[in-house]
Amino acid sequence: EAGVAQSPRYKIIEKRQSVAFWCNPISGHATLYWYQQILGQGPKLLIQFQNNGVVDDSQLPKDRFSAERLKGVDSTLKIQPAKLEDSAVYLCASSLFGRSYNEQFFGPGTRLTVL
Amino acid sequence: GESVGLHLPTLSVQEGDNSIINCAYSNSASDYFIWYKQESGKGPQFIIDIRSNMDKRQGQRVTVLLNKTVKHLSLQIAATQPGDSAVYFCAETFPGNQFYFGTGTSLTVIP
Repeated sequence: EAGVAQSPRYKIIEKRQSVAFWCNPISGHATLYWYQQILGQGPKLLIQFQNNGVVDDSQLPKDRFSAERLKGVDSTLKIQPAKLEDSAVYLCASSLFGRSYNEQFFGPGTRLTVL
Repeated sequence: GESVGLHLPTLSVQEGDNSIINCAYSNSASDYFIWYKQESGKGPQFIIDIRSNMDKRQGQRVTVLLNKTVKHLSLQIAATQPGDSAVYFCAETFPGNQFYFGTGTSLTVIP
């Protein structure tokens, strides 16, 4: 079975610029997650979708970050404008359901560098 | 916020030896725990999970131990191999909540 796909793999931008990441989850997975992983730290959840609805976005900096999941499949995460502290790996994950006891499958991530 | 931490940030072991990676969690309500392996340039990969109604769970060459009394989790890797070199994260959650990941332990296997 194909895994979670993400693009681009790497992105370098200057502060105050905008950037967008794309994620294609595993087919049939209803739940999609975006995580931010700063170097040397564990992933931190930014937003969780159940189909095309938002379940949890409590840790998403909404003044600059936005995300959508059109038709309950692919998802995009946008940062506008970017700050230096946004430099991180952005991981997308998906799972069959959004409940506990449910394994999340991660994509390879997009490494963002903000200069 | 939640606090899921690891006792040691780095661990070096000889090939063939057993490895033990520790994790402390702070939320006594957490009832599900997962260990992930993350190789360089890749996303985290599920290794093994355990629910709070269990003390021990075994997989292929890996064992997870859960001590709810002291809120401690450990991952044991038997006969560690070079391919086991990676960063290992523990993650915790409870019903209706998100997963919280620890900082990670970097395991290096010395041939």
